[in-house]
Amino acid sequence: GNSVTQMEGPVTLSEEAFLTINCTYTATGYPSLFWYVQYPGEGLQLLLKATKADDKGSNKGFEATYRKETTSFHLEKGSVQVSDSAVYFCALSDRGGTALIFGKGTTLSVSS
Amino acid sequence: DSGVTQTPKHLITATGQRVTLRCSPRSGDLSVYWYQQSLDQGLQFLIQYYNGEERAKGNILERFSAQQFPDLHSELNLSSLELGDSALYFCASSGTSGSYTGELFFGEGSRLTVL
Repeated sequence: GNSVTQMEGPVTLSEEAFLTINCTYTATGYPSLFWYVQYPGEGLQLLLKATKADDKGSNKGFEATYRKETTSFHLEKGSVQVSDSAVYFCALSDRGGTALIFGKGTTLSVSS
Repeated sequence: DSGVTQTPKHLITATGQRVTLRCSPRSGDLSVYWYQQSLDQGLQFLIQYYNGEERAKGNILERFSAQQFPDLHSELNLSSLELGDSALYFCASSGTSGSYTGELFFGEGSRLTVL
């Protein structure tokens, strides 16, 4: 079945450091891929998405490229801020109208 | 604000009891999804409703049930509660299949504590 694997956390960085959170997936067909973010005490918010191979999703300085050949969708940011401290979830959807399948989440902690 | 409203935000109850969690989706969204978030299991999909009909089932226990009403709000019923049911329960909604982009809009969750 479809699944998403994320790197284990927590990830601890200093402000302005470079961030990479790895995500790989297993799916039949051509899923859509997502990164969601959960700030403390809040629900999940969509951070970015990509719907086909080689698409790059970007938002708030974060980027991720849909790599079909490596079945990956790694999240990157060039310079993290303290306000980026949150839990990040990689997810996939195998077709429209179905539930998202999430990875276990990666906790990011950024210190000043 | 995602537009998805969940009540109650916090709930403390005892083992063996029954609770009902309520969700109002974004205006116009026909699909409602329920997820359970626990520390050890991560985000687990429970069940999906589309315009009042059950659309898909995930890892939902037989002690749990849900429904979606004509006004599109949904309720998740948890019965014979066990300590292990303590978790954050999220509701999410999405648009009609014609405009579906894959994005789900999440509420802030209902935190259930079973003592």
